[in-house]
Amino acid sequence: GQNIDQPTEMTATEGAIVQINCTYQTSGFNGLFWYQQHAGEAPTFLSYNVLDGLEEKGRFSSFLSRSKGYSYLLLKELQMKDSASYLCAVLDSNYQLIWGAGTKLIIKP
Amino acid sequence: GAVVSQHPSRVICKSGTSVKIECRSLDFQATTMFWYRQFPKKSLMLMATSNEGSKATYEQGVEKDKFLINHASLTLSTLTVTSAHPEDSSFYICSARAFSGTEAFFGQGTRLTVV
Repeated sequence: GQNIDQPTEMTATEGAIVQINCTYQTSGFNGLFWYQQHAGEAPTFLSYNVLDGLEEKGRFSSFLSRSKGYSYLLLKELQMKDSASYLCAVLDSNYQLIWGAGTKLIIKP
Repeated sequence: GAVVSQHPSRVICKSGTSVKIECRSLDFQATTMFWYRQFPKKSLMLMATSNEGSKATYEQGVEKDKFLINHASLTLSTLTVTSAHPEDSSFYICSARAFSGTEAFFGQGTRLTVV
């Protein structure tokens, strides 16, 4: 079956760095997405990785290792507004998006 | 990024009535649109995938006669919840994608409450 694992919840301090991991086992791979979702709102797109390596976009970076079925989202200089759920999703061989359950990130002052 | 507009953002309806939710891609042509349902503190649950001009593909356990999906044009898809019941109360979100392999953009979501 298809499976995406990410931690349920993480806590970090304002100004610090946090890494949210995502491991996947899917039938084929056509890219991995990270989305941010604030409570009561729809997800917003953060990043897309299809090749191995690190993609940096401002305070957010996303890393992919296809051989390990692994990705992480790195958030630097954390701000209170970063408190949200972070969803990992993989595009499988049929171009279907397979979603992880999301990681709730709690930022403390 | 591209803009997907979903309407209405909130709707309250009486049990037994039908509700239509619209999803529009405003600045691109969406060959594929997805409809999700999300319960509080839960991840997205894909309900169905629709390609323009063809019938929607429903996920297992989703009643196609209850959740009617129409994707009549490249910029508009609709989800109609027929004969709504309180257990249909949920957050419904659409997303649209231009081509396979590109990111999907989400609408704002619709909070449906059936009383």
